[in-house]
Amino acid sequence: GAVVSQHPSWVICKSGTSVKIECRSLDFQATTMFWYRQFPKQSLMLMATSNEGSKATYEQGVEKDKFLINHASLTLSTLTVTSAHPEDSSFYICSAGSGSDTDTQYFGPGTRLTVL
Amino acid sequence: GENVEQHPSTLSVQEGDSAVIKCTYSDSASNYFPWYKQELGKRPQLIIDIRSNVGEKKDQRIAVTLNKTAKHFSLHITETQPEDSAVYFCAAVVIGGAQKLVFGQGTRLTINP
Repeated sequence: GAVVSQHPSWVICKSGTSVKIECRSLDFQATTMFWYRQFPKQSLMLMATSNEGSKATYEQGVEKDKFLINHASLTLSTLTVTSAHPEDSSFYICSAGSGSDTDTQYFGPGTRLTVL
Repeated sequence: GENVEQHPSTLSVQEGDSAVIKCTYSDSASNYFPWYKQELGKRPQLIIDIRSNVGEKKDQRIAVTLNKTAKHFSLHITETQPEDSAVYFCAAVVIGGAQKLVFGQGTRLTINP
């Protein structure tokens, strides 16, 4: 089956630093990847949609200059949290789909970010 | 945009009983409705899904029903077991459109032995 990996699985950083999270589709080509954020005991909130070779589409209220997304290949998308602050601490999950006619999205295992 | 409401937020049932979780959606263009189970600290796992051209789908102890006219869909779990305890999320998406999954708020299901 389709497998999506994320790296790192958890990260602790100091306030003001930047953190990069990778999302990879291991056995299929992902034309579209999605980045979600999930705070404790809350639902998944879509942050942005990432399409290979083009700029990401950000959801309302998500700062594109703070959450940099790059989808340079059909198997890799990265999310960089710039100048992280404690309120950015959250569980970040990516998902990947293989085409516009495909309904299934495959989720990565998530990355737990803690900003001190 | 799409808005998905999910109820109840918490549900506690005795082992062996049935559990029902309900969701409503706002965008009539939504045509695919997956249900996910998420255990603490883990990724959401797809447990069942339904497309808008189908009214009901069943997979062993799990079933989903869809009422397009009323714009609501429900998850039914029968003969519940302790391992069914988790948070369940419904979602709605427009296939062929932006492909964005819009999630409900989640239901924390607890199965009491």
